[in-house]
Amino acid sequence: DIQLTQSPSFLSASVGDRVTITCRASQGISSYLAWYQQKPGKAPNLLIYGASTLQSGVPSRFSGSGSGTEFTLTISSLQPEDFATYYCQQVINYPFTFGPGTNVDIK
Amino acid sequence: QVQLQESGPGLVKPSETLSLTCTVSGGSISGHYWSWIRQSPGKGLEWIGYIFDSETTKYNPSLKSRVTTSVDTTKNQFSLKLSSVTAADTAVYYCARVDADCNSASCYQIFHYWGQGTLVTVSS
Repeated sequence: DIQLTQSPSFLSASVGDRVTITCRASQGISSYLAWYQQKPGKAPNLLIYGASTLQSGVPSRFSGSGSGTEFTLTISSLQPEDFATYYCQQVINYPFTFGPGTNVDIK
Repeated sequence: QVQLQESGPGLVKPSETLSLTCTVSGGSISGHYWSWIRQSPGKGLEWIGYIFDSETTKYNPSLKSRVTTSVDTTKNQFSLKLSSVTAADTAVYYCARVDADCNSASCYQIFHYWGQGTLVTVSS
């Protein structure tokens, strides 16, 4: 199975901050990476797929980059509604796997 | 707008079979890939598998021996059965529709529509 790691595991930030989360894959996955946002008690919400394609309806302050084994999710200016847990997911090989998550909390 | 809703028992005894149904509204179940994912504090998000039009399935090898999925097009529903459950199967179970965004170079599978999730506890 392809293992995904995320850093940091926990991030404390303020409204307006630029936030970057990193996802690393145990082997090359080209651009077959998606990012999700999850709030407590809710299902994950797709933000980005194909490493950098913004899902329709997702605010443009979210962006993704990377290819191969290293990827980043950037929130250009953190908003109150962005405090949540973020997961990456690879969809190049079965079984699809998810990263362990990054919890973005209020400083 | 496509909506998915999981249903099934919230409590299952060890060694028994977990059975969940996902009802799809706002779109046809035919012609799409449908997936199950679970989330537990210990293992995070785990992809269980998918089914396409009752003929094509793909399962996580870690669960393959215990998983069965099916589609009921008359009810616009698909189902999950997980046999011989243990406490390790306690989790929130989600159903999702898997779409594809393809171009000449790549074809990305997209988990866009999700159900709200249902907690299943395995306990005697």
